[in-house]
Amino acid sequence: KQEVTQIPAALSVPEGENLVLNCSFTDSAIYNLQWFRQDPGKGLTSLLLIQSSQREQTSGRLNASLDKSSGRSTLYIAASQPGDSATYLCAVRYSGAGSYQLTFGKGTKLSVIP
Amino acid sequence: DAGVIQSPRHEVTEMGQEVTLRCKPISGHDYLFWYRQTMMRGLELLIYFNNNVPIDDSGMPEDRFSAKMPNASFSTLKIQPSEPRDSAVYFCASSSEHDNRAPFGNTIYFGEGSWLTVV
Repeated sequence: KQEVTQIPAALSVPEGENLVLNCSFTDSAIYNLQWFRQDPGKGLTSLLLIQSSQREQTSGRLNASLDKSSGRSTLYIAASQPGDSATYLCAVRYSGAGSYQLTFGKGTKLSVIP
Repeated sequence: DAGVIQSPRHEVTEMGQEVTLRCKPISGHDYLFWYRQTMMRGLELLIYFNNNVPIDDSGMPEDRFSAKMPNASFSTLKIQPSEPRDSAVYFCASSSEHDNRAPFGNTIYFGEGSWLTVV
């Protein structure tokens, strides 16, 4: 069974700190990996998508990396702000027949303290 | 673009009642997904459609759940009869393999969810 794990489940940091969120997956035969943000009471918003052939993607203060061989991805947030407080989820789309579905981790709840 | 639209946003119903959740995907998207989110299990795919045809319903928990997509702009997820363990947030999402508008091609767009409580 394909599994996506995110550790820690919750993280609290002071404003301005750089931080890293972790995501691991059990099967390296992935098509792509996405990082999402979910605010309380809201749906998910896609932040970054890394194709299997890529090693990283950047958007503003966010940088996501992908290491398929070790089954890991990280989301780096630079100079964190209180507005970054949310739950961050990673999701993997696996290769192969019938592979359109995403498998999600349970997320890391981030709190940035002013 | 209005995004993925779901209704109702919140519903409280009694055990045994029928629940119908509705979704309007983004215009032009040819994939539609229904997910369920709970604290214990996280986000789980229930079913997805391609061009209005159900492709994979292996995530549908049991026969009490059914989903339809009568046309490209509308889908329903029905629970009959509902049970307390069905309480969750149900998300609809859509995407297109040919969507080049997003910063990251063929990304998936989620609605804001339908919060279901069965008492």
